[in-house]
Amino acid sequence: GAVVSQHPSWVICKSGTSVKIECRSLDFQATTMFWYRQFPKQSLMLMATSNEGSKATYEQGVEKDKFLINHASLTLSTLTVTSAHPEDSSFYICSAGRPSHGELFFGEGSRLTVL
Amino acid sequence: DQQVKQNSPSLSVQEGRISILNCDYTNSMFDYFLWYKKYPAEGPTFLISISSIKDKNEDGRFTVFLNKSAKHLSLHIVPSQPGDSAVYFCAASSLSSNTGKLIFGQGTTLQVKP
Repeated sequence: GAVVSQHPSWVICKSGTSVKIECRSLDFQATTMFWYRQFPKQSLMLMATSNEGSKATYEQGVEKDKFLINHASLTLSTLTVTSAHPEDSSFYICSAGRPSHGELFFGEGSRLTVL
Repeated sequence: DQQVKQNSPSLSVQEGRISILNCDYTNSMFDYFLWYKKYPAEGPTFLISISSIKDKNEDGRFTVFLNKSAKHLSLHIVPSQPGDSAVYFCAASSLSSNTGKLIFGQGTTLQVKP
C-alpha cells in the first residue's frame, strides 16, 4: 500500500486564488520531504526540500513566496501555491523517505489546473 | 546544466524482446541510482536501484547495470510486456549527503507492442 499520500489528486482553480496540497507519510516519520514539479513531457524537477520544524530549502529559480512550504509535523508537509496563474498549472509530486536506508517513496501526485 | 540525462525520449519494443533504457550522469558525487516508472497522471513508482559499490542489480525481469567510469547506467527489461509501457525515469542521489534529494533524467517513453 501507499506509504506517502497526497491530497488532492486533482484541483482546478481560478487565477489569483491559492491552492494547498498536502503530503503525508503514512508508515514512518519523515523529517525531510521533497516537492517536485513536472510539466508535460518533461522531467520531474525538484522544487524544494521541506524540513520538519524549519524553513524549506528552495532550488534555484523557485519563488519561495509563490510556493509556500510548511512542514509542521513529522508526517505532514504542505505546499501552497499562492496567487496561482495558468503557468502554474502542472503536476506536483511529493516524496519522503529514509535516505540512510536508500528509500524514497513518492506520493500519487496532484494535478493543478489554473484557469 | 542537466546532471542526469536520458538521451532517448522514446523506445518501441516488441513484446517478449529486451528493452534497454539508458541514462548518463555528470556528477561524480552521485553514489546511488534509481529507476522509476510513471504512468500518466500518477506519481512515479520505484522499480530498482543500485549503489555505486555494485555494477549490477537484478530484480525479476529488471536489471540495472552501472558503469561508473563511463558515468552510465542502463535498465534492462526482459522479457518486455505490454504492461511495461510507461515513462521511465532514472534518478541519481548522493546518499553520503544523507538528504534523499534526487535528480531526475528527462524520461524515456517505452512502448511495448503486443
